Amino acid sequence: QVQLQESGPGLVKPSQTLSLTCTVSGGSISSGDYYWSWIRQPPGMGLEWIAYIYYSGNTYYNPSLKSRVTISLDTSKNQFSLKLSSVTAADTGVYYCATRGYRYVRFDPWGQGTLVTVSS
Amino acid sequence: QSALTQPRSVSGSPGQSVTISCTGTSSDVGGYNYVSWYQQHPGKAPKLMIYDVSKRPSGVPDRFSGSKSGNTASLTISGLQTEDESDYYCCSYAGSYSFEVFGTGTKVTVL
Repeated sequence: QVQLQESGPGLVKPSQTLSLTCTVSGGSISSGDYYWSWIRQPPGMGLEWIAYIYYSGNTYYNPSLKSRVTISLDTSKNQFSLKLSSVTAADTGVYYCATRGYRYVRFDPWGQGTLVTVSS
Repeated sequence: QSALTQPRSVSGSPGQSVTISCTGTSSDVGGYNYVSWYQQHPGKAPKLMIYDVSKRPSGVPDRFSGSKSGNTASLTISGLQTEDESDYYCCSYAGSYSFEVFGTGTKVTVL
């Protein structure tokens, strides 16, 4: 069973770039079974899909965030990463990595999430 | 792409049934049979409850069921239990421009 774990700085200054990594265990990131995904949740608010990437390197972005987001794979480390540039306080929240099925359109499983605060 | 619309809250007594609606458009909910539902307890990651509108993953009680009519999907919890008190989010595939869109979320309270 695939398991996911987010890691990265918990505090980022405004205008800087937020960088997070998701480490995958129990499965290969080179598997064609999943899209490797990032989803976020501002404090007290709902979920927002950010992006996903397929093992082939094809990337898919939320149109509202596309200009600031980069998602990438590191097959040597079985990890995938998120970069969000020019952050503001509105980017504060819990960031989750998750698998989105290729054949089955569902987000499962999820990582435990990591809180990122944007503040000077 | 706007978030799918859900009621802010629904409530019911133990043993009763509650239904949560999830309203989108013909570009998302109405256009694809790819609606999923997630349960989220405070401080926890979301958990998949329903996918492909009405399919239950193994381990999810059959008290949880999903359906869709037009641009609105629904999650019904039958025989409400105290542990069902949680936030619930719908999600729909939205095509090759917007890809995925979540609902606004619904808090289920067990009275």
